[in-house]
Amino acid sequence: AQKVTQAQTEISVVEKEDVTLDCVYETRDTTYYLFWYKQPPSGELVFLIRRNSFDEQNEISGRYSWNFQKSTSSFNFTITASQVVDSAVYFCALSPPQETSGSRLTFGEGTQLTVNP
Amino acid sequence: SAVISQKPSRDICQRGTSLTIQCQVDSQVTMMFWYRQQPGQSLTLIATANQGSEATYESGFVIDKFPISRPNLTFSTLTVSNMSPEDSSIYLCSANHGGSYNEQFFGPGTRLTVL
Repeated sequence: AQKVTQAQTEISVVEKEDVTLDCVYETRDTTYYLFWYKQPPSGELVFLIRRNSFDEQNEISGRYSWNFQKSTSSFNFTITASQVVDSAVYFCALSPPQETSGSRLTFGEGTQLTVNP
Repeated sequence: SAVISQKPSRDICQRGTSLTIQCQVDSQVTMMFWYRQQPGQSLTLIATANQGSEATYESGFVIDKFPISRPNLTFSTLTVSNMSPEDSSIYLCSANHGGSYNEQFFGPGTRLTVL
């Protein structure tokens, strides 16, 4: 069974602060994929990143960065210099390898991020 | 990346009726998925739809309540049958890219309210 835990239900920061969203996962698969999605108030789910379990390199994309630690089963997401437009619900998700059951995503409960001006 | 559209974007329905949601992908994809997001909650997978075969349902979801069609590689429908207020949710269609990258994109969702 797969499980994703996002312990932070809500986070509130002031603009320009850095913020880290935590994600811890459980899986029996030896290979798997991890995802982060953003869901703004409009409701659409925006793909941010996919990470293969073989690749433990951290990734940076503009103000976004991701820290994958296989030893602690964590895949944390940091927003640097947060902006009001970053306000959204952020979901971490896990999927088994495509060749076994496709991209069936197991989602965490989500973290509501509010960035105040 | 795949572009996914859904119809309708939202609807208000009466208890006991059924609603069919359409999902269109702009390229051929092997697998399509239907998710439900109840108010204020996370997403839960309803079923996986492969072209030419019966959909595979997750625990807690049954074909009689959520019949799914997948007539070709770019289209799928989800019907919410005999609706009750508990079915009020956002229903999202998702497509697997089909390549080696295992990317999964989502449609804009259908916001359903059942009175």
